[in-house]
Amino acid sequence: EVQLVESGGGLVEPGGSLRLSCAASGFTFSDYEMNWVRQAPGKGLEWVAYTTSTESTLYYADSVKGRFTISRDNAKNSLYLQMNSLRAEDTAVYYCVRDAGYRGRYWIPFDYWGQGTLVTVSS
Amino acid sequence: QSVLTQPPSASGTPGQRVTISCSGTSSNIGSRAVNWCQQLPGTAPKLLIFSNDQRPSGVPDRFSGSKSGTSASLAISGLQSEDEGDYYCVAWDDSLNGWVFGGGTKVTVL
Repeated sequence: EVQLVESGGGLVEPGGSLRLSCAASGFTFSDYEMNWVRQAPGKGLEWVAYTTSTESTLYYADSVKGRFTISRDNAKNSLYLQMNSLRAEDTAVYYCVRDAGYRGRYWIPFDYWGQGTLVTVSS
Repeated sequence: QSVLTQPPSASGTPGQRVTISCSGTSSNIGSRAVNWCQQLPGTAPKLLIFSNDQRPSGVPDRFSGSKSGTSASLAISGLQSEDEGDYYCVAWDDSLNGWVFGGGTKVTVL
């Protein structure tokens, strides 16, 4: 069974830093691309960052570019999100999301989601 | 303001057909596949439709997707009470080099 378990959320002051982790199990982690997606309280979904299976290509939303860094450790089956210079508008539930990439004819994104971890940026 | 545009709400009675629209541009829907995610109350989102009209295993065939030009639609036929929740369209944007979501549509079963 595919499982994605996020951790590392919490309360942080504006300007502070936080590192989120995502522990993956039930599949060969090193074969899959991964994303972080967030959801502010009562709001919609916002994609944050993407990494290929080997970190050869990284993409970021403009809202976090230069402040957030996505990374992974395939030996530990783990995905990370280093968040610096945090702002109040970064307050959200952060989801770790698998991207199956191309499977046959089709690209299958966001096929498995974790339960999320809440980050609150407030003084 | 979301890059993809969805109506904020949609509703229907049990058994009815409900359709949700998603409008984009040539850099996203116009050149890329559209996907749909479902988020039931209090739960994490789930992939509902990928590549415009493909259903992951386990998704009932009451859910169907389509795309034409720079717009896409999600249809729920035979609406059921357990379909109440939020529905999001999402596509890759070649100009932004990232995924873009619609603002979400809240489906209510009357």
